[in-house]
Amino acid sequence: AQTVTQSQPEMSVQEAETVTLSCTYDTSESDYYLFWYKQPPSRQMILVIRQEAYKQQNATENRFSVNFQKAAKSFSLKISDSQLGDAAMYFCAYRSARDDKIIFGKGTRLHILP
Amino acid sequence: SQTIHQWPATLVQPVGSPLSLECTVEGTSNPNLYWYRQAAGRGLQLLFYSVGIGQISSEVPQNLSASRPQDRQFILSSKKLLLSDSGFYLCAWMRGRVLNEQFFGPGTRLTVL
Repeated sequence: AQTVTQSQPEMSVQEAETVTLSCTYDTSESDYYLFWYKQPPSRQMILVIRQEAYKQQNATENRFSVNFQKAAKSFSLKISDSQLGDAAMYFCAYRSARDDKIIFGKGTRLHILP
Repeated sequence: SQTIHQWPATLVQPVGSPLSLECTVEGTSNPNLYWYRQAAGRGLQLLFYSVGIGQISSEVPQNLSASRPQDRQFILSSKKLLLSDSGFYLCAWMRGRVLNEQFFGPGTRLTVL
């Protein structure tokens, strides 16, 4: 069965600094998708970034980028120039191209220090 | 554009009472629909999902049930609530497998006393 592991329950970063959130996953599939979702205090889940496994190029969205290492089954999220509004719970997620379900990690709570 | 609604936003119910949470999606047709529960501000537990009207897949056996009476309506129910049913319930939709991500509703906070 596929699993998603986020080994950092909580992290803190100084405002304007860079932080990297870790995620590893386990799968025997070759075609799949990976996601990072953000859940701020409002609890609204927001998609931050996504990566297709067949793409070698790492996805980027403004200050958010990923380091996708397919062989290592690693999918980390880098947040540059951290802002107070980045404070949230971040979830890593995986979906096989053959499946209708998305599997979520347990989340990393990110604190931004002013 | 597509929107997803959930109601109620908050609910306080006594143990043993019934439950009905509703989720509706606008602006799309034949979406995949999902119910998640998030306990204690942590991970998301998939409870049910549906790929079409009347089609329900259950992920975790418990005293909850789900129904999809209409294409864009997904209902989470219970005949008798337990204390352990307390949590934050999220509904999500996905457009089949064409677009890959799920879009989430605002959630319902359920407290069972």
